Amino acid sequence: DSGVTQTPKHLITATGQRVTLRCSPRSGDLSVYWYQQSLDQGLQFLIQYYNGEERAKGNILERFSAQQFPDLHSELNLSSLELGDSALYFCASSVDSRRDTEAFFGQGTRLTVV
Amino acid sequence: GENVEQHPSTLSVQEGDSAVIKCTYSDSASNYFPWYKQELGKGPQLIIDIRSNVGEKKDQRIAVTLNKTAKHFSLHITETQPEDSAVYFCAASPTGNQFYFGTGTSLTVIP
Repeated sequence: DSGVTQTPKHLITATGQRVTLRCSPRSGDLSVYWYQQSLDQGLQFLIQYYNGEERAKGNILERFSAQQFPDLHSELNLSSLELGDSALYFCASSVDSRRDTEAFFGQGTRLTVV
Repeated sequence: GENVEQHPSTLSVQEGDSAVIKCTYSDSASNYFPWYKQELGKGPQLIIDIRSNVGEKKDQRIAVTLNKTAKHFSLHITETQPEDSAVYFCAASPTGNQFYFGTGTSLTVIP
């Protein structure tokens, strides 16, 4: 168990809908990363937050947004969902945002858009 | 940005044999190289990492080597066991704002 908690584990929703994925980082970790994993794209970085502030953006669609709350948990919001958004979404956390800091992943949320 | 290439994409070994997975990276600013193991239906699990001031690191049956000049690093698993079967990902971190992952190696250990 990495200590990173993601909910829900599975989510099935229809096209056009909006969903929220939740992540609780390891105790003491200030940095949260979101990744998308699909069969043809591998692990793609979406966005990073550090202590409530956005630090870096990757290939995140405009339909997607995220935030990190004062208690350090993070939420990833996906809207106007399309079939191609079906994927595993992982959250990872690390103590800080230095480039040589270990990151630990949660178990992921499997999103299926039908 | 950083580009990480990983080979092979699939690897089958007999139980007890060694397995080697190789990765190359492009950004000389990268100084941290973790390896993750992902089992079916689970999240990536950090199994070993190496920093650029070190050339080799071992943890029981797992070792990682780093050649900064050539910009490549490798994962070595000795005395493989069926429970080592999983997908392994290498990664590089040039900035701390994200990890750049390789495309993964599916390792099968045949009993």
